[in-house]
Amino acid sequence: QSVLTQPPSVSGAPGQRVTISCTGSSSNIGAGYDVHWYQQLPGTAPKLLIYGNNNRPSGVPDRFSGSKSGTSASLAITGLQAEDEADYYCQSYDSSLSHVVFGGGTKLTVL
Amino acid sequence: QVQLVESGGGLVKPGGSLRLSCAASGFTFSDYYMSWIRQAPGKGLEWVSYISSSGTTIYYADSVKGRFTISRDNAKNSLYLQMNSLRAEDTAVYYCARDQAARRGGPFSDYWGQGTLVTVSS
Repeated sequence: QSVLTQPPSVSGAPGQRVTISCTGSSSNIGAGYDVHWYQQLPGTAPKLLIYGNNNRPSGVPDRFSGSKSGTSASLAITGLQAEDEADYYCQSYDSSLSHVVFGGGTKLTVL
Repeated sequence: QVQLVESGGGLVKPGGSLRLSCAASGFTFSDYYMSWIRQAPGKGLEWVSYISSSGTTIYYADSVKGRFTISRDNAKNSLYLQMNSLRAEDTAVYYCARDQAARRGGPFSDYWGQGTLVTVSS
């Protein structure tokens, strides 16, 4: 059972917009801690996608964006492409556990 | 370019030990916090441990506390994870990652190695 809750799967057609939610609590996202997102393509290591709630590292397309409100955060992907098919993980810090925590991951399928 | 290369994984019996290494290059290793993060087969990511740039601050997940020890050698640009009293549930790909400080909260990992597989089985 992950501290941060993500939907197990989402899907969308090419060109569409999808969002992936990440729900936490008052000891993590709700406490104001930053949320970060990672993309894991099949058979590869995770890659940083969004950091500090809504910042993209160099090289990440602006089709990817992050937001945060209250005890939840979201990753939005616009103009969906086949190569976006991957697992996506959110991460934050939990003050009750005193360490970083990950969401359970969401598998994105491009139809 | 930043490179992180893990090694030391393999098959070990329950109760056994293993030492993972991570060789870093392409950046000033001694300036960065580093983490170990694992992923059991078909499962999600689980943070294991992190260590400050000087090695003086260390945190562990409850699931490995007392059994795993993280360390680093800044002169050798290397990160280590000594794993003792291994259990079947420790079976996973172990990733070494470079950390950056978040504006608020714990660090995030901006570069990851390719991972090394640890299998605990009799």
